[in-house]
Amino acid sequence: DAGITQSPRHKVTETGTPVTLRCHQTENHRYMYWYRQDPGHGLRLIHYSYGVKDTDKGEVSDGYSVSRSKTEDFLLTLESATSSQTSVYFCAAQGDGGDEQFFGPGTRLTVL
Amino acid sequence: EDKVVQSPLSLVVHEGDTVTLNCSYEVTNFRSLLWYKQEKKAPTFLFMLTSSGIEKKSGRLSSILDKKELFSILNITATQTGDSAIYLCAVVLTTGNQFYFGTGTSLTVIP
Repeated sequence: DAGITQSPRHKVTETGTPVTLRCHQTENHRYMYWYRQDPGHGLRLIHYSYGVKDTDKGEVSDGYSVSRSKTEDFLLTLESATSSQTSVYFCAAQGDGGDEQFFGPGTRLTVL
Repeated sequence: EDKVVQSPLSLVVHEGDTVTLNCSYEVTNFRSLLWYKQEKKAPTFLFMLTSSGIEKKSGRLSSILDKKELFSILNITATQTGDSAIYLCAVVLTTGNQFYFGTGTSLTVIP
């Protein structure tokens, strides 16, 4: 699993509140990704990072922002959570040596 | 628009059966195709394919890519209950290092 952890693992919040999810990796991988997984949609890319302070949008980036101030940490922020953002969020990391992505354990977010 | 389609969406088989899972894609700037297995947790890597016609094999699982017809298959022989999972296919592009995942195939193996 390339030493990838996510926090929190579960969160319940209310509509309109800000939420930050954290992904931490210990293998010094260059690339990091945030996905959401919903029934019928598989894994969809939200944002990704190709280095410290270098990030780009994925296919479902609206309502989300990210930051990467250190190689090991990639933060996903929902500025004002909505019920449509209820999902399971996975972080992944990838090194320069190949296309294999290593996934974190996931965060289950419920927005009421 | 880039897309990855997996079929079937779900499959129920008996132990000992052989199954074939399909992944077709329509993307520009293809670099590689990956297969993952997801049980009730994070996806775990199975195979990476970059060249047509070269089979990758690991135990009872094997996979092959056809870059002309734009698809890959994942075969599982002599299935076991432990093979029950969602199998995900992902295509990696050369531009921006982006990954596009299919919706997955849910496989259930009955004893």
